[in-house]
Amino acid sequence: DTGVSQDPRHKITKRGQNVTFRCDPISEHNRLYWYRQTLGQGPEFLTYFQNEAQLEKSRLLSDRFSAERPKGSFSTLEIQRTEQGDSAMYLCASSLVYEHGEQFFGPGTRLTVL
Amino acid sequence: DAKTTQPPSMDCAEGRAANLPCNHSTISGNEYVYWYRQIHSQGPQYIIHGLKNNETNEMASLIITEDRKSSTLILPHATLRDTAVYYCIVRAGNSGYALNFGKGTSLLVTP
Repeated sequence: DTGVSQDPRHKITKRGQNVTFRCDPISEHNRLYWYRQTLGQGPEFLTYFQNEAQLEKSRLLSDRFSAERPKGSFSTLEIQRTEQGDSAMYLCASSLVYEHGEQFFGPGTRLTVL
Repeated sequence: DAKTTQPPSMDCAEGRAANLPCNHSTISGNEYVYWYRQIHSQGPQYIIHGLKNNETNEMASLIITEDRKSSTLILPHATLRDTAVYYCIVRAGNSGYALNFGKGTSLLVTP
């Protein structure tokens, strides 16, 4: 257990539905990251926050995706109008603010879109 | 960030050293080499990082060639619990915080 928790661990939804995932980082970590991992591939970066500010977004983060970190603590990732291609593991990580901040990953939320 | 090349899979006998290679021939002077691993059904885990000197911690050793175009992660006494996908990542230490994982090397440690 790294101290980063994610909820739910598994989510099955029908195409077109909205889903929201939550990530609780290690409490003193200022930085929070979201990644997506599909079968057989390494994790791909989606976005990251420093405190409550969203500082970087990947081109993978389409308009249907939105992430928030309202009080600089937990974060949510929402996917609207889900598509089958959204099926993946969604990983959250957190780190301290320094040059080589080791990223601590949560167990992930596995999304299946039917 | 520089691109890395790793073999897709490797085997190692339990108790032996596992040597995982990584090529990063286009690495820039300000880019570091990071290693993470991902055990099945878990999130990735940081192992070690280095710039140009060899590094060692409680998990592994990192050997970087003098020209910095390749490196080797060494697990000195592999155990069955070291079976995982190992990712070599090259990234500037002071710019950009995303980790570009690639496909990594799937290491199987056998009894």
